[in-house]
Amino acid sequence: GESVGLHLPTLSVQEGDNSIINCAYSNSASDYFIWYKQESGKGPQFIIDIRSNMDKRQGQRVTVLLNKTVKHLSLQIAATQPGDSAVYFCAEQGRSQGNLIFGKGTKLSVKP
Amino acid sequence: DAGITQSPRHKVTETGTPVTLRCHQTENHRYMYWYRQDPGHGLRLIHYSYGVKDTDKGEVSDGYSVSRSKTEDFLLTLESATSSQTSVYFCAISGTSNYGYTFGSGTRLTVV
Repeated sequence: GESVGLHLPTLSVQEGDNSIINCAYSNSASDYFIWYKQESGKGPQFIIDIRSNMDKRQGQRVTVLLNKTVKHLSLQIAATQPGDSAVYFCAEQGRSQGNLIFGKGTKLSVKP
Repeated sequence: DAGITQSPRHKVTETGTPVTLRCHQTENHRYMYWYRQDPGHGLRLIHYSYGVKDTDKGEVSDGYSVSRSKTEDFLLTLESATSSQTSVYFCAISGTSNYGYTFGSGTRLTVV
C-alpha cells in the first residue's frame, strides 16, 4: 500500500514531461535486467526488460538504457501521465544466479 | 494478475500463532517465490521453489517455512508469528530461471 513509497527517493514531474528514473546495479556479472512498476496496494508489474548484449530497448512510451561500463540502468517514460505515478524498481539477474535481485525503488509523482 | 492468486489478502494475527499464506497459480510455471516488502528494504526473498517438493532458502528465511506439494500451490508458513513479521508478502512465478517474474497482488499481514 502507501507504505511502499516511504523512505524512497522521489521524482516529481509535470504531466506531459519526460521522466528518467535511474538505477545502479550491483553485480557486473548480471546479464538480465527488468523494470517493474508498483502502484499503491498492488503487486509489482513488469514494464520492460533488457539483456546485457543490448544497450537500449524501447517499448510503448518507455525506453530502457543499459550502461554496463558504469553498471547503470535507466528507465525513460515519455509524455508522463498521472497513471504513471507509482514506485519503480529495477531488478538484475546473473547467468548463474537464478533469482532476481531488486533495487529499493524510486517513487514517481506526476503533477497534473 | 496473470493466473496467480494469493490468499488471504489481509490478515491480522496474534504474536505466537501459526499463520499460513497461500499462493496459487494456473500458469503451470516451474518457479515460485515468496517475498516480503517493507519500507526501506524493498523486496526481499524469503524462500523459493524450483519444482514440486524442491525448495530453497532466500535472504530472509528465518522464522518461515514453505511447502510445495503441487505445481500450482506454494505455501508460506510462519510457525510462530512475531511483530517483526508484520509486512506485505508477495508471491511470484516464473516459467524459467532467467526470465521476469509475475507477481500476485500481495497479502498484508499484521502481527499484534
